[in-house]
Amino acid sequence: DAMVIQNPRYQVTQFGKPVTLSCSQTLNHNVMYWYQQKSSQAPKLLFHYYDKDFNNEADTPDNFQSRRPNTSFCFLDIRSPGLGDAAMYLCATLRPGTLSSYNEQFFGPGTRLTVL
Amino acid sequence: AQRVTQPEKLLSVFKGAPVELKCNYSYSGSPELFWYVQYSRQRLQLLLRHISRESIKGFTADLNKGETSFHLKKPFAQEEDSAMYYCALRWGKLTFGTGTQLKVEL
Repeated sequence: DAMVIQNPRYQVTQFGKPVTLSCSQTLNHNVMYWYQQKSSQAPKLLFHYYDKDFNNEADTPDNFQSRRPNTSFCFLDIRSPGLGDAAMYLCATLRPGTLSSYNEQFFGPGTRLTVL
Repeated sequence: AQRVTQPEKLLSVFKGAPVELKCNYSYSGSPELFWYVQYSRQRLQLLLRHISRESIKGFTADLNKGETSFHLKKPFAQEEDSAMYYCALRWGKLTFGTGTQLKVEL
């Protein structure tokens, strides 16, 4: 019954070699997020989509790009990974609020990226 | 800019002891405050939010606007409460604190 799925769970890449992380959701939520979480640090928002509308955080490096081909899938592309990009990458969706429930973010298990 | 501070990286308590995980925030408006929990090898999930004023798994958190705090409390810690706890603030986007690792010892 996984709702937000991230593949792979562990990804190893080489310095400078492009890498793509995947996220899919079975919830049909309009909003999807990508967070970066480095060791012992707080998850940090990189960008989010509202449907196909892309919203980049001001301090997200240009090295990070994203694609959302449809509602279910969202990809994080790191064009030239550096050693400092090694982190856990979290995908999340947002369930909108209704008259009977508040909105809520649902997180995937994360992909741990290692850069050699 | 919005900011969330969790001063303790690690909190170790004995089973049955009271627990208080501290969270302070800085924001001039009226943000939404949350506590998220991450159990070992599991995904980050919402524990509770200030607006609902509910108790989840025995945990409560009261928003103190005067002290800009949103501490998480439980009167009697249980072994299964051992996890990483993140305080978060939302005004537009969600901003997380650095987390507190709670370890409940027997």
